[in-house]
Amino acid sequence: DIQMTQSPSTLSASVGDRVTITCRASQSISNWLAWYQQKPGKAPNLLIYKASSLESGVPSRFSGSGSGTEFTLTISSLQPDDFATYYCQQYNSYPYTFGQGTKLEIK
Amino acid sequence: QVQLVESGGGLVKPGGSLRLSCAASGFTFSDHYMGWIRQAPGKGLEWVSYISHSGFTIYYVDSVKGRFTISRDNAENSLYLQMNSLRAEDTAVYYCARDGGYRSYDFWGQGTLVTVSS
Repeated sequence: DIQMTQSPSTLSASVGDRVTITCRASQSISNWLAWYQQKPGKAPNLLIYKASSLESGVPSRFSGSGSGTEFTLTISSLQPDDFATYYCQQYNSYPYTFGQGTKLEIK
Repeated sequence: QVQLVESGGGLVKPGGSLRLSCAASGFTFSDHYMGWIRQAPGKGLEWVSYISHSGFTIYYVDSVKGRFTISRDNAENSLYLQMNSLRAEDTAVYYCARDGGYRSYDFWGQGTLVTVSS
């Protein structure tokens, strides 16, 4: 199975900050990587697919990059609504696997 | 608009069974792969199972193989997860999700809580 490792596990930041979350795969997954945002008590929401494609309706301050085994999610200027938990997920091969999550907290 | 509504969760004793349902609307259900993903309380997301649009191709995470069965009824626009021999570690919110292919899971239900406890 492909293991996905996110860092950091927790990130404290302020409104207006630029933040980056990293996701590493234990083997190459090409660009079959998605990023989700999840708020407490809610279902995950797709932000980015195929590593760098922005899902319709997602603000352009979110961006993704990477291929192979190393990927990043960047939020260019944090807004109050962005404080949530973020997950990466590989869909290169079954079983699909998720990273452990990054909780983005208000500093 | 796309809607996925799960039902069937609840409290069950270890070794018991439960059948989850997911009612889909707002899209052509038979055109889409579907999946189940779960989240234990306070934990991360865990992919559970996949079913192709026809139902002929199915995958499971190792921890549920032989105990869970995914199925679908395209005429009823419904997805199911039959869960047998339930264990405490199966306690989680179970989400059904539309597999958007190259877009991965593009729509999710609100989830249904399964609690396995004596």
